[in-house]
Amino acid sequence: AQRVTQPEKLLSVFKGAPVELKCNYSYSGSPELFWYVQYSRQRLQLLLRHISRESIKGFTADLNKGETSFHLKKPFAQEEDSAMYYCALNRNQGGKLIFGQGTELSVKP
Amino acid sequence: GAVVSQHPSWVICKSGTSVKIECRSLDFQATTMFWYRQFPKQSLMLMATSNEGSKATYEQGVEKDKFLINHASLTLSTLTVTSAHPEDSSFYICSARGSNTDTQYFGPGTRLTVL
Repeated sequence: AQRVTQPEKLLSVFKGAPVELKCNYSYSGSPELFWYVQYSRQRLQLLLRHISRESIKGFTADLNKGETSFHLKKPFAQEEDSAMYYCALNRNQGGKLIFGQGTELSVKP
Repeated sequence: GAVVSQHPSWVICKSGTSVKIECRSLDFQATTMFWYRQFPKQSLMLMATSNEGSKATYEQGVEKDKFLINHASLTLSTLTVTSAHPEDSSFYICSARGSNTDTQYFGPGTRLTVL
């Protein structure tokens, strides 16, 4: 079954601390994975995708096929990073996204 | 950047009535639009995919006669919830994708409350 799992509903860290938001997937083919972010009272927006191998706002995510994971990391969290983060899998490369449950990141001063 | 709007942002209706939600791509042509549903504190669930000029493709378990989708132009898709019931109350979100990109741009969502 195709599935995206984000085990943590809420992750609370202090400013300057490292943060890792976990994402595991189940997919039989070659996965295309994304991280989306939703800031308070704003719409969902793309943060990064695994094929780009880029760093956005200090966040990076590496696809680990052996562990079927795509964890989102940032070495030093900032208060403005507080938001809801969703990991998503592109099903069949047709644009149909399967979203994880989301993790709320709270960065405290 | 690409902007997607939804109208209305919220709507309250009586049980048994129909409600239409619009999704517009403001500055690009959306060959594909997606409709999602999000329950409180839950994830987004894909309901259907619509391609301009063709019939929508519905996900398993989504009633196509209840959730009518029309993608009549490259900038507009509509979702009509027919004979709405309280269990249809939810947050409905659309996304749009152009022909030259696989990036989806999301609308702000529409909160539907059926009394």
